[in-house]
This record gives sequence, C-alpha cells and structure tokens, in this order.
Amino acid sequence: KAGVTQTPRYLIKTRGQQVTLSCSPISGHRSVSWYQQTPGQGLQFLFEYFSETQRNKGNFPGRFSGRQFSNSRSEMNVSTLELGDSALYLCASRIRGSGTEAFFGQGTRLTVV
Amino acid sequence: GESVGLHLPTLSVQEGDNSIINCAYSNSASDYFIWYKQESGKGPQFIIDIRSNMDKRQGQRVTVLLNKTVKHLSLQIAATQPGDSAVYFCADRMDTGRRALTFGSGTRLQVQP
Repeated sequence: KAGVTQTPRYLIKTRGQQVTLSCSPISGHRSVSWYQQTPGQGLQFLFEYFSETQRNKGNFPGRFSGRQFSNSRSEMNVSTLELGDSALYLCASRIRGSGTEAFFGQGTRLTVV
Repeated sequence: GESVGLHLPTLSVQEGDNSIINCAYSNSASDYFIWYKQESGKGPQFIIDIRSNMDKRQGQRVTVLLNKTVKHLSLQIAATQPGDSAVYFCADRMDTGRRALTFGSGTRLQVQP
C-alpha cells in the first residue's frame, strides 16, 4: 500500500510569487491535513479537508489556501510568498473518524529567496 | 494559550539502555495523544497513540504513559538502538470536534554506540 505522496519534494521560489503543492493520500483515506514545519515554530496546523470541504483551519493568513478533489488528492496554495514562508510543508492523511492516526508524507521543502 | 511542550530538547542515551521522553500538555480537554518520530529528511512517522480514557499503552519496544492528573505524557523506548535516533514529537487533540493535532517542540534522541 503506497504511503502519502507529496510533490514536488523541493521548491525554490522568489518573494511575491505563488506556489502550489500537491498531496496524494493513502488509498482509502478521505481526510487530508496540511502542516507547516519550521525550526522556530515547529509543526503548525494549516487546514484539514474531508470530502472536498475544509473542516478545520489553523491560524494562518489568507495567503494560504487549499482544496481537495473528489479522489481525495489535495493541493495547497501560497500566494504572494514571503521569506518567512520558507518551511517544510507536510501533508497527513487519515481514514477519518475520531482518534485515527495521521500518516505523514515526506513533505515539500519550500525555500523563498 | 494552549500548548503541548517537552521538558528536554536533547536526550543522549547509550545503545541498549531504555529511553524516556517526556511531554507536558496544558489542555485538560485533550482526548487523544500521539507520539511521532521524525528522522532527518523525512516526515513524522506514527509510533503509538493513546486515548484519554487509558493510562498506559504498549507497542513493540515502546510504551506510552498518560498521567491526566498532572497533564503529563511519556514515551518509553526499551533497548534503544541507533536506528531510534531521531526527533520525537508528542501531539494532542482536543475533544471539541477539532481534529487538528497540536504538536510539541520535539526532543532529539541521540543514541551513542
């Protein structure tokens, strides 16, 4: 069974640009969450999608957005990139249901220059 | 604000010894806790979880203890191996319908041969 797949693995963008990251969850998993990981702030929740609907949202500005498709694949978009957006962006999938563990992908390393 | 934190940033142990990684949480409404292991260049890997109606749960070479009275969580690794070297995160989830995980800052476990 394939794990969570995130693409691309590495990305370099310039300030002011926008970026789209992709996540394919484990087959059969319907919930996808996104997290930002930085040395200073650690792992912080961005948002969660289930059945193409955003169910939860973290405390990030509106420049961060996402969506989920009918096949449960998800994308997140960051517009007007800032240097501080440089981070490892992690996607996690769950079957859905209380207490079910989240399985993470390897992440996309975004560097903003 | 609510937080999940860790007592020590770095823990160094000898190969074969037992390791204990501690975590304090502040939200008494948390109902679910998870330990993750993150190796360099990889996403967090699920280790073990525990619900708030339990005080102990065992896995393969790992045990999680939950003390709700003092809001403390620990991960015990038996017979620590070099492959256990990684950053370990505890995470919690509140019993309010929110499904996002709140992560602690992480403890780096270094296993000395």
